[in-house]
Amino acid sequence: GQQLNQSPQSMFIQEGEDVSMNCTSSSIFNTWLWYKQDPGEGPVLLIALYKAGELTSNGRLTAQFGITRKDSFLNISASIPSDVGIYFCAGLPGAGNMLTFGGGTRLMVKP
Amino acid sequence: NAGVTQTPKFRILKIGQSMTLQCAQDMNHNYMYWYRQDPGMGLKLIYYSVGAGITDKGEVPNGYNVSRSTTEDFPLRLELAAPSQTSVYFCASSHYSGRKYNEQFFGPGTRLTVL
Repeated sequence: GQQLNQSPQSMFIQEGEDVSMNCTSSSIFNTWLWYKQDPGEGPVLLIALYKAGELTSNGRLTAQFGITRKDSFLNISASIPSDVGIYFCAGLPGAGNMLTFGGGTRLMVKP
Repeated sequence: NAGVTQTPKFRILKIGQSMTLQCAQDMNHNYMYWYRQDPGMGLKLIYYSVGAGITDKGEVPNGYNVSRSTTEDFPLRLELAAPSQTSVYFCASSHYSGRKYNEQFFGPGTRLTVL
């Protein structure tokens, strides 16, 4: 099946620093999604991207749909302790709602 | 609205036992899903349903069964539990209209250990 490679696997940063993570695939996706999972909870959608090259923000979060349609990036500016969690990318290859998830990036923020 | 609810939160099973993980949603969503999340990994789709009476296999269906008799409920059945089924199980739902992606809302998960 399709696979999404997410990197880095984990990050340990200082509060106030900016964070970048990315997701790559050997296949084309028509929709890219970024989710956050807090400990003991289910994932929650942060940003959805629908067009190649699209750049979308949600507060301090900015995500981009790569122009090759095989990658996506998530940036978090001025990190705060509540940003701690696991960030997942997910892709949709076409029509439908069947997601393929990346392995996640575990973010830890030191106050 | 309660959203997506799952019971139980935790369960320990012995090898060969069976159990049903319950999932319910009160958002009148037509699509429902079951995922499993192994430690340090992303979510993998087990089964999904596009409406009452219709179910289909996802990426990792072996060892599981589902049914969808109502719009609200989508139980997941493990018939002969195996250690490989130790995982966290998430149920999700969405309203799919055939257009662009419609957000999947996830439940809080069921942590299952098979010993």
